[in-house]
Amino acid sequence: AQKITQTQPGMFVQEKEAVTLDCTYDTSDQSYGLFWYKQPSSGEMIFLIYQGSYDEQNATEGRYSLNFQKARKSANLVISASQLGDSAMYFCAMREGLKGAQKLVFGQGTRLTINP
Amino acid sequence: EAQVTQNPRYLITVTGKKLTVTCSQNMNHEYMSWYRQDPGLGLRQIYYSMNVEVTDKGDVPEGYKVSRKEKRNFPLILESPSPNQTSLYFCASSPTPPGADTQYFGPGTRLTVL
Repeated sequence: AQKITQTQPGMFVQEKEAVTLDCTYDTSDQSYGLFWYKQPSSGEMIFLIYQGSYDEQNATEGRYSLNFQKARKSANLVISASQLGDSAMYFCAMREGLKGAQKLVFGQGTRLTINP
Repeated sequence: EAQVTQNPRYLITVTGKKLTVTCSQNMNHEYMSWYRQDPGLGLRQIYYSMNVEVTDKGDVPEGYKVSRKEKRNFPLILESPSPNQTSLYFCASSPTPPGADTQYFGPGTRLTVL
């Protein structure tokens, strides 16, 4: 079974609009972490934001926020006031376990295109 | 400048010819990891290392070896490459296992096995 599911292969958004990228996860651990990464067309991977399973507040980093709904096992990325430079592939990922295995599992990604 | 470097950036090789992809970080990070990226599959973790001489398998370790003799280096070894190992490979490092601290990625190595 997929541990991280990103159901939107592609999204098209007008510049300056807010955009939400969906991510659902599956784990039986109580302690885990959720991440979002950006991969522009140049290919590099850029860490955007992190949410710990015990964090009560949604994580925010500038224009990025993570809408964490623990009961629904969702960790959606919200980008406010989108810009042309936000066009990229976005990956959701999860780290399970506080101790022991420290594996990171990624979703398949969502390609976001911002239209002028 | 804080960075993760990988070499080579591009490599075309033939089945069965041993190769090593080097990874080095200059940030004194404890945690290092290798991923492969394939279309439609996202990134999959191959191996990770919590510290020197401590390595563990990720989700797709078959056909790969790693070593962590020094904190800064984490080479990926393909003893007998096969065409299904054609992929884009990323090395990454972070101060601790992935969490709130930024995880830094190398530029990627595009490997083609003929």
